[in-house]
Formats: sequence, structure tokens, C-alpha cells
Amino acid sequence: TQLLEQSPQFLSIQEGENLTVYCNSSSVFSSLQWYRQEPGEGPVLLVTVVTGGEVKKLKRLTFQFGDARKDSSLHITAAQPGDTGLYLCAGARQAGTALIFGKGTTLSVSS
Amino acid sequence: DVKVTQSSRYLVKRTGEKVFLECVQDMDHENMFWYRQDPGLGLRLIYFSYDVKMKEKGDIPEGYSVSREKKERFSLILESASTNQTSMYLCAMRAPEGELFFGEGSRLTVL
Repeated sequence: TQLLEQSPQFLSIQEGENLTVYCNSSSVFSSLQWYRQEPGEGPVLLVTVVTGGEVKKLKRLTFQFGDARKDSSLHITAAQPGDTGLYLCAGARQAGTALIFGKGTTLSVSS
Repeated sequence: DVKVTQSSRYLVKRTGEKVFLECVQDMDHENMFWYRQDPGLGLRLIYFSYDVKMKEKGDIPEGYSVSREKKERFSLILESASTNQTSMYLCAMRAPEGELFFGEGSRLTVL
């Protein structure tokens, strides 16, 4: 059973478009993290959200944690080719426990 | 900068060989993890360790073992490699704030 479902699995868009990636679960998480991974590299943390309803902004990236702490979204405004990569959400059921990862969303932004 | 170093970026082994994947962190953190990453399956947790000589099974421990003799080093061992263990292996260390720092990955091919 996949505890964290990410959608879409693949996304191919043009530079300047907006997009949203979703991370959903039927389980409650104490926190959710978003990572970005480039080919040949390990994932790198973008953000951690811990409070239900929380919204965090990182330049053109907006992250939201659902009120019930079961889902999260990542919205990118005016995507650029440098945003290309694999986006992974990861959640901790309890603080200090091992992270559970979604299967990831592969984003390709062409100029 | 935090650094997690994996000993080999690329390995090619034959079925039945013993394989050692080493991971070293340059901080003094307790928690270290081994994941494997496969297309369409995301990151799956193999084993983790929360202190020296301590280990816990993750979601897919079969066919693997680990060693944590020193705090900075966490090794993944494949006692008898099989073709279905061909994968990208990612080591990670967790900072006290919850962020995972990953190594660059070790791509293993078992022939």
C-alpha cells in the first residue's frame, strides 16, 4: 500500500506555465517535506510543513499542507527550465520516525 | 556544508557476489538511512540506524544487511547479489530538525 500518492507522475510543460503537484494520503502526518532531485544526484530538501493549513513560499514555489495534515501541494508559478527534475513528497507519521516517500513527479520544462 | 559521501557512484557485480556499499557523514548525527530508488517505485526504505550498533528494518530488508560500527559510517551489505537488486542506492543522514541529507547515490548493476 502506497501511503503517499503523488500526482501527476509526469508533467511536461512550456517555460512560463504554472503547475501544481499533489501529494495525498488517507493517513495523518506530523510533517511533510518536499524534495527535488536532479539526474545523478540525491534529493535535496525544499521545504518542511508541520502545521495543518500552513502555506510556505520559496520564490516561485508555494507549498501548502492540508488542514487535516493528510495532503500537500506544490505550486510553481512561471516555470523555468531550471525547475526540471523529480519532485518527491515525504512524510513522517510521528516525529522522529523514518520518512515515507511518494513515488515522485517528474517535471520537464522546455524553453 | 553537510556532506554525505557514498563510496562508489557506479558498480557492476555478478550474481552471487558480496557487495559493500559504504556511506560516511561529516556531522555527528545519530540517524542514518539506506533507500533504493527504482523507476515508478520511488524511494523505498531498506534499513535505518539510530545509533552505533543499532539497526532497524525498513520496508524491504530482504537480501540486505547493514553495519554501523562507527557513528559516521553506515554500510549496506548484499550478501549474495541478485539481478533484482540492480538499482540506485541512496544513503541519507537526518539532521535534528528533520531534514534528510542524501549522498549522490550508488548505481549498482548485477549481471
